[in-house]
Amino acid sequence: GAVVSQHPSWVICKSGTSVKIECRSLDFQATTMFWYRQFPKQSLMLMATSNEGSKATYEQGVEKDKFLINHASLTLSTLTVTSAHPEDSSFYICSARGLAGAHEQYFGPGTRLTVT
Amino acid sequence: AQKVTQAQTEISVVEKEDVTLDCVYETRDTTYYLFWYKQPPSGELVFLIRRNSFDEQNEISGRYSWNFQKSTSSFNFTITASQVVDSAVYFCALSEIQGAQKLVFGQGTRLTINP
Repeated sequence: GAVVSQHPSWVICKSGTSVKIECRSLDFQATTMFWYRQFPKQSLMLMATSNEGSKATYEQGVEKDKFLINHASLTLSTLTVTSAHPEDSSFYICSARGLAGAHEQYFGPGTRLTVT
Repeated sequence: AQKVTQAQTEISVVEKEDVTLDCVYETRDTTYYLFWYKQPPSGELVFLIRRNSFDEQNEISGRYSWNFQKSTSSFNFTITASQVVDSAVYFCALSEIQGAQKLVFGQGTRLTINP
């Protein structure tokens, strides 16, 4: 149990276009989902926390208008990178936490974004 | 503010050697969680352990063991009789117990086990 999927696993897009990444909890309901970004050979940096049905909370320095997060249901959160630029190329990882009181975060397999 | 420091950027050992990965943390919270994750080349994070701050018992799971020393704010991870499949990047992380429970990761230690 406790499986989180991400789609796509990798994507290449051109500068100026937008790309959407999906994060799904397959066998549990996730009230909270987290989005991380990981540059090559670096650590994971939290971008934002999203709670089902409410606006995401972004970490300092993360542009909310550029990285749109939607958590419309208890099993799906999406991250849309708008007007992508080469510097947005990175590994994006989501994690999901179960219903209230749950402490475990389950990580998705990640999405590798390359902007050309 | 919370902070996790993994001072060892890279470690390389020969198979069957024991290796310890260091983790030091800072937090103002009196209760918190500590974690270790493994990230193989595929990129997917593999959960290894979660430790509650009020449980200072060391833990052993097969070839893996963890030493939690609250007095020195350390949570070190030892692999005994290392194997090539242990090669990966290992992350130590910290989170609050209440609230959003956001994870703060250390910089990671790249472990290479040579045959």
